[in-house]
Amino acid sequence: GAVVSQHPSRVICKSGTSVKIECRSLDFQATTMFWYRQFPKQSLMLMATSNEGSKATYEQGVEKDKFLINHASLTLSTLTVTSAHPEDSSFYICSAREGRGGNYGYTFGSGTRLTVV
Amino acid sequence: GQNIDQPTEMTATEGAIVQINCTYQTSGFNGLFWYQQHAGEAPTFLSYNVLDGLEEKGRFSSFLSRSKGYSYLLLKELQMKDSASYLCAVRPRGNTPLVFGKGTRLSVIA
Repeated sequence: GAVVSQHPSRVICKSGTSVKIECRSLDFQATTMFWYRQFPKQSLMLMATSNEGSKATYEQGVEKDKFLINHASLTLSTLTVTSAHPEDSSFYICSAREGRGGNYGYTFGSGTRLTVV
Repeated sequence: GQNIDQPTEMTATEGAIVQINCTYQTSGFNGLFWYQQHAGEAPTFLSYNVLDGLEEKGRFSSFLSRSKGYSYLLLKELQMKDSASYLCAVRPRGNTPLVFGKGTRLSVIA
């Protein structure tokens, strides 16, 4: 089945620094990737939708200059949290969808636990 | 707008059956998904319904009624490892992100 590899799984960074999270689709071409954030005991909140070769579409309330998304190839999308603050501490998850669509096709990465100290 | 409702918490006994309900109101409908999520982990796919009726997959079954905007996930022969959050998610249109409910935390007790 489809696999999405997400790295790192955990990261601790100092306030003010930037952190990059990578998601790779290992055995399919992901024309679209979705980035979610999840706070403790809450559900997944969509942050942005990225399409290969074009600018990401951000959800209302998500700062595009703070959460930089790059989807330069069909197998790699990155999320960079810039100038991180403690309130950015959260669980970030990517989800990729195969370009051919179909009834299934939503595969999640394993998530990244970001802690900003 | 998009709105997906499911109970916040449920408790059930090992070996029993539990039904987790989900109601939705979305701008368009192109499928409903159920995911299982253990604490600190990413969601894992359980089921997908796009037509009315019951889909059975081992101990897990999922039901959909599009006219009622309603789905349920049925878990049989509960095991302790089934303790997790169960997320109901709807895809409003073709290549669009899933809209998630807040999840139901299920606790299985002995």
